[in-house]
Amino acid sequence: DGGITQSPKYLFRKEGQNVTLSCEQNLNHDAMYWYRQDPGQGLRLIYYSQIVNDFQKGDIAEGYSVSREKKESFPLTVTSAQKNPTAFYLCASSIGLSNSPLHFGNGTRLTVT
Amino acid sequence: AQSVSQHNHHVILSEAASLELGCNYSYGGTVNLFWYVQYPGQHLQLLLKYFSGDPLVKGIKGFEAEFIKSKFSFNLRKPSVQWSDTAEYFCAVGPGVEGGYNKLIFGAGTRLAVHP
Repeated sequence: DGGITQSPKYLFRKEGQNVTLSCEQNLNHDAMYWYRQDPGQGLRLIYYSQIVNDFQKGDIAEGYSVSREKKESFPLTVTSAQKNPTAFYLCASSIGLSNSPLHFGNGTRLTVT
Repeated sequence: AQSVSQHNHHVILSEAASLELGCNYSYGGTVNLFWYVQYPGQHLQLLLKYFSGDPLVKGIKGFEAEFIKSKFSFNLRKPSVQWSDTAEYFCAVGPGVEGGYNKLIFGAGTRLAVHP
């Protein structure tokens, strides 16, 4: 079955460490996204990529970095510069930037202590 | 500022009760509107969408939503809920003409619990 795989499901890190969240899709989608979800808030866009080797900042990109070296992969690094990294992170993809449904992964819950 | 407001954070219903989840938005220009659902243990998935045309949109599993432009609303409805409708529901709004999921704004979500 086609879909988006995020790993791991739960991730624990010490403050000051960088951590990379994995996102892989086998849907052959060009566009990929990273969202952050906090309790009582909607999903907020961190970064998105329309095509391989290209990505753009979303609304809350500070303290995060991404890469898009392959069409199927869009890893997110949460750096030590992110002031409140504990959150639920969702990866998504779509055929293009508009008019086709967003497909979501199951998410990674990151806890930083 | 652009925003999406979902009126109820938690809703509890008995099976066969009618459901209406509110969604109001503040967004300039033409809009595309979405409802996404996340069932327990599953990923977010599209429930229904409105791009243009008939403002009453029908989605999967008997859900429907009505776009009322004058009220900036896109409320989700179902005449008779089932226990399997227990989930979290998210309303989302994006630009219509220019499109672009990179400009999509999500509401905070409504957790629906349906009791047998």
